[in-house]
Amino acid sequence: NAGVTQTPKFQVLKTGQSMTLQCAQDMNHEYMSWYRQDPGMGLRLIHYSVGAGITDQGEVPNGYNVSRSTTEDFPLRLLSAAPSQTSVYFCASSYRSGANVLTFGAGSRLTVL
Amino acid sequence: GENVEQHPSTLSVQEGDSAVIKCTYSDSASNYFPWYKQELGKGPQLIIDIRSNVGEKKDQRIAVTLNKTAKHFSLHITETQPEDSAVYFCAASSRSNDMRFGAGTRLTVKP
Repeated sequence: NAGVTQTPKFQVLKTGQSMTLQCAQDMNHEYMSWYRQDPGMGLRLIHYSVGAGITDQGEVPNGYNVSRSTTEDFPLRLLSAAPSQTSVYFCASSYRSGANVLTFGAGSRLTVL
Repeated sequence: GENVEQHPSTLSVQEGDSAVIKCTYSDSASNYFPWYKQELGKGPQLIIDIRSNVGEKKDQRIAVTLNKTAKHFSLHITETQPEDSAVYFCAASSRSNDMRFGAGTRLTVKP
């Protein structure tokens, strides 16, 4: 049972480039989300999805897009990377939306030059 | 929306001592309060959680207390061990889909 799998683990981008962070879970979880982690700021919610075809914005959504075409996958797209998006990104899932235990991936470290 | 504050940001204790981390929240509708442990290079993992209908919960050396009136909750680790060294996050959530995290506490347990 793999849990939540994120790829890539590390990525370096130049300002203005685009890229997609991949997230997949094999637990048949209904709820999936993306967080970014910055020093001294904890984990901040970017976007989330309560099921296939449904997405919504979190606390810091600007500059990011998401889609949820299947239950298993929830990619995060950076359309035009900026240095302010340098961060560690975590995907998390839960069997149901709402106040429930989140299972996190191992993280993707992104550096934007 | 919910705002979660966590203190202290760093905590250093001697092996065998107790460690206490405190969090406050702002939204009285929040009813779920998990604690996550993050080791270096890994994603956060749940270590204990508590719901608003319970005042205290224990799991071996770890306990969490909740004071709904004051809107604060705390993590207590007794008989600390070097392997307890990590970053700890508190969080608060209601029936909404928005779980908010504190800024984290870096705990160092000195042998």
